[in-house]
Amino acid sequence: GENVEQHPSTLSVQEGDSAVIKCTYSDSASNYFPWYKQELGKRPQLIIDIRSNVGEKKDQRIAVTLNKTAKHFSLHITETQPEDSAVYFCAASPSGGSYIPTFGRGTSLIVHP
Amino acid sequence: DTGVSQNPRHKITKRGQNVTFRCDPISEHNRLYWYRQTLGQGPEFLTYFQNEAQLEKSRLLSDRFSAERPKGSFSTLEIQRTEQGDSAMYLCASSPGSGDYNEQFFGPGTRLTVL
Repeated sequence: GENVEQHPSTLSVQEGDSAVIKCTYSDSASNYFPWYKQELGKRPQLIIDIRSNVGEKKDQRIAVTLNKTAKHFSLHITETQPEDSAVYFCAASPSGGSYIPTFGRGTSLIVHP
Repeated sequence: DTGVSQNPRHKITKRGQNVTFRCDPISEHNRLYWYRQTLGQGPEFLTYFQNEAQLEKSRLLSDRFSAERPKGSFSTLEIQRTEQGDSAMYLCASSPGSGDYNEQFFGPGTRLTVL
């Protein structure tokens, strides 16, 4: 089955700095890679996703890159703000079948004002 | 609120009791997933429904767990003879079920504490 590794487990930055979270996956059949933000006590919310036919996607301060050859993808947050503080999860999902995603263990991002 | 809803939000029970959780997906979403999340971990897949059919179950799902989606709308997850190791957040997610990709929308979860 799929195995998703996520690093770092904790990331502490100053407001205004950039933050990068990296994930690797093992199954070459995975072709959809969502990122979720989960604030304390709340539901995971999709913030950005990338499909295997593109290498990069950007949405305002958030960007995701995908390297299918190396089987890794990354989340980039620029100009971080205190409200970006949360746990971020990456996931890898196959196309077809049950589309069941495998999640990373999460990165706790702390943005200090 | 037109998002995924789950009830109850919190459940405290004694070991050995049965509990049942409910998930109401986004209207017209025909895929529904149950996950379990423990502290410091990402969501772990438990089971998946396409409409009313339960198509896949994780090996994590012991025979004490059962899930239904009788009319292809809401779903229930029942845990029989609860154990302390069942304490976790149980998340439900739904997705439209169209296209080649699977954007999932999560509910707020049910936090189970087994004493």
